[in-house]
Amino acid sequence: AQSVTQPDIHITVSEGASLELRCNYSYGATPYLFWYVQSPGQGLQLLLKYFSGDTLVQGIKGFEAEFKRSQSSFNLRKPSVHWSDAAEYFCAVGKGGATNKLIFGTGTLLAVQP
Amino acid sequence: SAVISQKPSRDICQRGTSLTIQCQVDSQVTMMFWYRQQPGQSLTLIATANQGSEATYESGFVIDKFPISRPNLTFSTLTVSNMSPEDSSIYLCSVEVQGAAGYTFGSGTRLTVV
Repeated sequence: AQSVTQPDIHITVSEGASLELRCNYSYGATPYLFWYVQSPGQGLQLLLKYFSGDTLVQGIKGFEAEFKRSQSSFNLRKPSVHWSDAAEYFCAVGKGGATNKLIFGTGTLLAVQP
Repeated sequence: SAVISQKPSRDICQRGTSLTIQCQVDSQVTMMFWYRQQPGQSLTLIATANQGSEATYESGFVIDKFPISRPNLTFSTLTVSNMSPEDSSIYLCSVEVQGAAGYTFGSGTRLTVV
């Protein structure tokens, strides 16, 4: 069965520092991979997605993620964090096709220190 | 990408009552998905709704508790029936955007059952 693991429940970084949020997935074929961000009291906003092709994916707000098949990972990165990036981040995997549901990780809550 | 209007945005309900959540999309979509996000938890898929057929429920969710309607290709409702405090969650609808552009989420309904 598909699964997604986000090992870090909570991360605190200083503003201007770099960020990497980890995501590992379990899936038998090439998955569809997503990163979403949820600000307090808000819905989910898609940051980026990977379906195929170039394994380094650029997203909105300066985020990027790299798909590494050998490590079953899809880590999210940002070179310089802004205070407005404080939110919860969810990694998700989907398999597309007739059953298009997403399986979400448990989320990583990002705090940004001034 | 599609724009989803979800309402109500929040509600406080008495136990034993029911609440119907509406999800309106600005374009026609084949599948609509309903998720639940319990406090401090990740998102869990409740069911998938196709127009013209009964919704498909995930393990642990039943139609009597979460009846879903899908009268056309732009609209769906989720009812949370006979509510208890354990139903206090954020409920989100989602659609898959055609052309492998990803999944869009509504802003969610924050339900508190007292």
